[in-house]
Amino acid sequence: DQQVKQNSPSLSVQEGRISILNCDYTNSMFDYFLWYKKYPAEGPTFLISISSIKDKNEDGRFTVFLNKSAKHLSLHIVPSQPGDSAVYFCAAVNNSGYALNFGKGTSLLVTP
Amino acid sequence: DTEVTQTPKHLVMGMTNKKSLKCEQHMGHRAMYWYKQKAKKPPELMFVYSYEKLSINESVPSRFSPECPNSSLLNLHLHALQPEDSALYLCASSPTTGLLYNEQFFGPGTRLTVL
Repeated sequence: DQQVKQNSPSLSVQEGRISILNCDYTNSMFDYFLWYKKYPAEGPTFLISISSIKDKNEDGRFTVFLNKSAKHLSLHIVPSQPGDSAVYFCAAVNNSGYALNFGKGTSLLVTP
Repeated sequence: DTEVTQTPKHLVMGMTNKKSLKCEQHMGHRAMYWYKQKAKKPPELMFVYSYEKLSINESVPSRFSPECPNSSLLNLHLHALQPEDSALYLCASSPTTGLLYNEQFFGPGTRLTVL
């Protein structure tokens, strides 16, 4: 049973524009959310996180928004760059603090 | 050193072989994890070690046997695997388990093929 869902398997965006990657979750016990980026043949790389007590966290070109009532979060990348092309995984942690529950990932392609 | 290293990068083994995957980190992290990732699927947690003790075993078959010899090393011993065990095996570490410290750092993975 997938508790973290990324319903868009792929997204294509032009360089310089905004990329918006979406993630929904079903478990209201999730307290902490993370985004990971994965290039082929590499392990996931931590990108940005947000605690459930916040609704926004920003780090350079990356901003994560959390809507707890809708159980929805999104990652905004602006401006998008070709080097951002990768698979982006949304992950959530429940209050036991152990396991990362991953979504299936969204493959982002940023075209020049 | 902010890296998690995994060896080997690729491994091909028969169903009767015994092999081991190795993971190492020198960030002083006290939690280490094994994940399994099949093609086009998200990583799935297998084991969690916290302070060198096994904390979580996600109902993984006994043909996978983890070992944490010290705080920097994590091994996964493989024996009598099945072809469906072919996958990317990812190791990760975090400063500790617990909500505020669960930014896990991943290694590049070992691509395992079982013939």
